[in-house]
Amino acid sequence: DADVTQTPRNRITKTGKRIMLECSQTKGHDRMYWYRQDPGLGLRLIYYSFDVKDINKGEISDGYSVSRQAQAKFSLSLESAIPNQTALYFCATSGTGTSGANVLTFGAGSRLTVL
Amino acid sequence: AQRVTQPEKLLSVFKGAPVELKCNYSYSGSPELFWYVQYSRQRLQLLLRHISRESIKGFTADLNKGETSFHLKKPFAQEEDSAMYYCALSNQAGTALIFGKGTTLSVSS
Repeated sequence: DADVTQTPRNRITKTGKRIMLECSQTKGHDRMYWYRQDPGLGLRLIYYSFDVKDINKGEISDGYSVSRQAQAKFSLSLESAIPNQTALYFCATSGTGTSGANVLTFGAGSRLTVL
Repeated sequence: AQRVTQPEKLLSVFKGAPVELKCNYSYSGSPELFWYVQYSRQRLQLLLRHISRESIKGFTADLNKGETSFHLKKPFAQEEDSAMYYCALSNQAGTALIFGKGTTLSVSS
């Protein structure tokens, strides 16, 4: 079984719809992240969380919200999707300390298309 | 501002040729740098980090603070090295990674 599981893997939706992307992990990591990948722009950080009560905005958080329901679950929501949110979204986790911090384990990605 | 620059979108080489994927960074203080790789149909994964000073799959990367660079090198490219490579920098607070835009390496025979 995958360590970091993202659902759905693919989603097509319409402008204005609410979308939730879910991420669950079995790594036992406290830290979880959401990135989006766009061709030519690389990966950009949307939100990250260090525990259930800790949520932090990343570089491009506008138009997104997150929920850390449990240590193992971190969901990303688009309240009202717009076409420029069409992208590949990655969830990632990491441990802590010198050996674990910023050593990211990625999910397989969720491809979102907003029409 | 913290920033990672990968100047090449695409690097094409022949099998057996040396490879150098460039990465430059902007950072105040002592940076923590990484290379991540995404092979076709696989997940993005860590290749190496500068503090480990390891050679992974024949790749090495040396931190050059004077030139603010962390170039990824391999003396003899293999076809299985074809992938997207991302250089990444830990942000000032050490809480998240800032990624470059990525370089696609294509190795042909």
